[in-house]
Amino acid sequence: DTEVTQTPKHLVMGMTNKKSLKCEQHMGHRAMYWYKQKAKKPPELMFVYSYEKLSINESVPSRFSPECPNSSLLNLHLHALQPEDSALYLCASSQDQGSDYGYTFGSGTRLTVV
Amino acid sequence: DQQVKQNSPSLSVQEGRISILNCDYTNSMFDYFLWYKKYPAEGPTFLISISSIKDKNEDGRFTVFLNKSAKHLSLHIVPSQPGDSAVYFCAASGGNTGKLIFGQGTTLQVKP
Repeated sequence: DTEVTQTPKHLVMGMTNKKSLKCEQHMGHRAMYWYKQKAKKPPELMFVYSYEKLSINESVPSRFSPECPNSSLLNLHLHALQPEDSALYLCASSQDQGSDYGYTFGSGTRLTVV
Repeated sequence: DQQVKQNSPSLSVQEGRISILNCDYTNSMFDYFLWYKKYPAEGPTFLISISSIKDKNEDGRFTVFLNKSAKHLSLHIVPSQPGDSAVYFCAASGGNTGKLIFGQGTTLQVKP
């Protein structure tokens, strides 16, 4: 298995809803990442987990809450989002956290906040 | 401040010819560079990478060149195929953060 699987593929949520994005990999990778990509913009890093511990938080608002229950799973819990949070949310993983390791990206979750 | 720049938003090439996509960076701490290809509604797909200790890396039809003194890298695709039509992102990383900084992307269209 050489894939990063993200669910759901599409999500529409209201500003008062609570929802979660899920990411799963079975490549034995120990680093996992959340990126956000707005339309016609490059992906931007949100969070990095290394060995199931939060390593980097790129000053992301608290309405986004990451969780790494085990080495294969990465969740992103969403609460009280704003319409401007609508974007493609990408999960990625790599063998370890660092420059020399290849990154595998999932197909993303297309989030629309109404 | 944009640390990774792809100054050409789009590029159109005839099938069978060479496609050259360019990328410039400003941060001299970057030591690893990657090219990704992205189709609409999909995640980026890794193409090829290069470490700062090298100036060239080749993989089939794809070759990446790195000019550290100019802080410039380029992706050559030879021969170009219609299936190569996509958005191409240059990305850079430095240290052990695992953080990728992406350029704005270049949309490549390969015409039959």
